[in-house]
Amino acid sequence: NAGVTQTPKFRILKIGQSMTLQCTQDMNHNYMYWYRQDPGMGLKLIYYSVGAGITDKGEVPNGYNVSRSTTEDFPLRLELAAPSQTSVYFCASSLGREIEKLFFGSGTQLSVL
Amino acid sequence: TQLLEQSPQFLSIQEGENLTVYCNSSSVFSSLQWYRQEPGEGPVLLVTVVTGGEVKKLKRLTFQFGDARKDSSLHITAAQPGDTGLYLCAGGDNAGNMLTFGGGTRLMVKP
Repeated sequence: NAGVTQTPKFRILKIGQSMTLQCTQDMNHNYMYWYRQDPGMGLKLIYYSVGAGITDKGEVPNGYNVSRSTTEDFPLRLELAAPSQTSVYFCASSLGREIEKLFFGSGTQLSVL
Repeated sequence: TQLLEQSPQFLSIQEGENLTVYCNSSSVFSSLQWYRQEPGEGPVLLVTVVTGGEVKKLKRLTFQFGDARKDSSLHITAAQPGDTGLYLCAGGDNAGNMLTFGGGTRLMVKP
């Protein structure tokens, strides 16, 4: 019963490097989301997807890209890492609209130095 | 942009005390969720309220949605060390596609 799985758990990047944060869910959920959580703060929505092939911007999309080629996977791409992207990243999924229960992964802690 | 403000930001109490956490906005939300997050983990949903004035109880936790659906409160009776964590409120927009999270209340319950 894996739920939402995120990899890696920790990563350190140099300024200008790129990386992909992986997220996969095995609950056949239609909706998937990427959030970032800065220290002592709440979560801010980066991108979301309502189904395979459909993505949309959230509150803070700049510097990120996403794709949704399958129902299960929703990777988040950082092209040119900047110190402002140092944060904890959470992937989440839900069966339907956000009024539904969100299931979160355990997060990826990213530091850009 | 809809904003949710939580208060207090930090709360440290002794086991057995009661506490209330507030979540306020100038915007109307279609629904309001409360999550609890422990260190190194993602948030876990505690409750969803959708009707103005709605009150839900979950053991020692009581959640209330304001009549105007702009605010909510979480009351914990006889807090226990296991209640320690970050409590987040999140409001749903009318389209149902986006949740706005508050900044969180970090609760520590000392034995």
